[in-house]
Parts: sequence; C-alpha cells; structure tokens
Amino acid sequence: NAGVTQTPKFRVLKTGQSMTLLCAQDMNHEYMYWYRQDPGMGLRLIHYSVGEGTTAKGEVPDGYNVSRLKKQNFLLGLESAAPSQTSVYFCASSPRGSSGANVLTFGAGSRLTVL
Amino acid sequence: AQSVTQLGSHVSVSEGALVLLRCNYSSSVPPYLFWYVQYPNQGLQLLLKYTSAATLVKGINGFEAEFKKSETSFHLTKPSAHMSDAAEYFCAVSDENNRLAFGKGNQVVVIP
Repeated sequence: NAGVTQTPKFRVLKTGQSMTLLCAQDMNHEYMYWYRQDPGMGLRLIHYSVGEGTTAKGEVPDGYNVSRLKKQNFLLGLESAAPSQTSVYFCASSPRGSSGANVLTFGAGSRLTVL
Repeated sequence: AQSVTQLGSHVSVSEGALVLLRCNYSSSVPPYLFWYVQYPNQGLQLLLKYTSAATLVKGINGFEAEFKKSETSFHLTKPSAHMSDAAEYFCAVSDENNRLAFGKGNQVVVIP
C-alpha cells in the first residue's frame, strides 16, 4: 500500500537547469496538489489538479509548470531553476467532493537544492 | 480567502507537561480545520480534523482540539508531553476543493 510516492527524493541543480518531479498515487484519488515547504513559511500551494487533464494555479505558481496526463500521476516541472526554488516539495492527493472535508495524503517529500 | 495563524514558531515543553499549540482561523464560511504533524525528514500526517460534527475533536497519540467559533480558534492540546511528540505541527483550513492553507507551523521541543 504505497499511497503517494515522490521521485526523486533529493536533487541538486545548477541555476538555469530544468527538471521534473514525479508524483504517483495508487488510491484512485481525483485531486492532486503540489506544495513547497520553506523554513518559517509553512506549506504553500504551487499548483493543483481536480482531475485528469486539468490543472490550476495555487498561491505560488511562478516558475513552475505541471501536467496531469494520467489520473495517478502529477508532474511538477522547473524549466529554468533559480536559487529561490531551493525548497522541499510535497505532493498530496485526496478524493473528490465533501466540500473540503477530505483528508489529504502526503508524500515523503523531495528536497531540491539550486546552486 | 481562508487563512490560519499560528503564533510562536518554537515551543518548548517539559516531558509530562501540557502541550498547547494555538491556531486562529479566518473564514467567511463554516471552516474545515485540520492539524497535521511532521516528524523529521518525513511527510505530513493527519492528527485530527474538525468538520462540524463535534466541537471537541480527539486525534491520534492523545492529542485533541476544541473548535470555538466565538474565538475563531482551534487550539491543539495534549495533557502530558512525551519525547516522541517532538515534531513540527501545522494548523490548516480547507476550501471546497480540499486545498489546504497552512499556518507557519510550531516546532515542538520536548525537554527531558
């Protein structure tokens, strides 16, 4: 019972490089989310998806792109990494509906460092 | 927009003493409120949630929280701290798309 799996767990990039973080869930959840966690800032929503083929911006979307081509996968891309994107990234998923009462299941996180 | 406020980034508590973490929310509609815990180098784990069924909510590991509409608060408590409670705790409020808005977190240190 894997839940939410993120790859890679760690990555070091140079400024300007690109990369993709992969999130996979095996719970048949409709909704998926990408958050970033920075010290003293809590978690902030980057992008989210309410179903296959749909994505929407969250609180801090600049510099990131996402895709949800398959229901179980949610990809987060950095086209040109910047040091300000050094962070820990968390993917989460939840079932549809219940108007906000559903619990999110989180992955273990991906630590990204941009030099 | 809905939001939550957690004061005091670091909280030190003696082993066996009361743990109290404060959370105040801002919401134009009846909120769904959550407390999550993050142990070192791990993801977030649900402690408890309020969804209007009862104002006193019991969670895992002996934690509970009370929803007080008049004070717009959802404070987290545990009567007796254990060393294993050392972690970061986040209060969050959810919208209709289950998007969570988090507080800045409380890092709890338990002193032997």
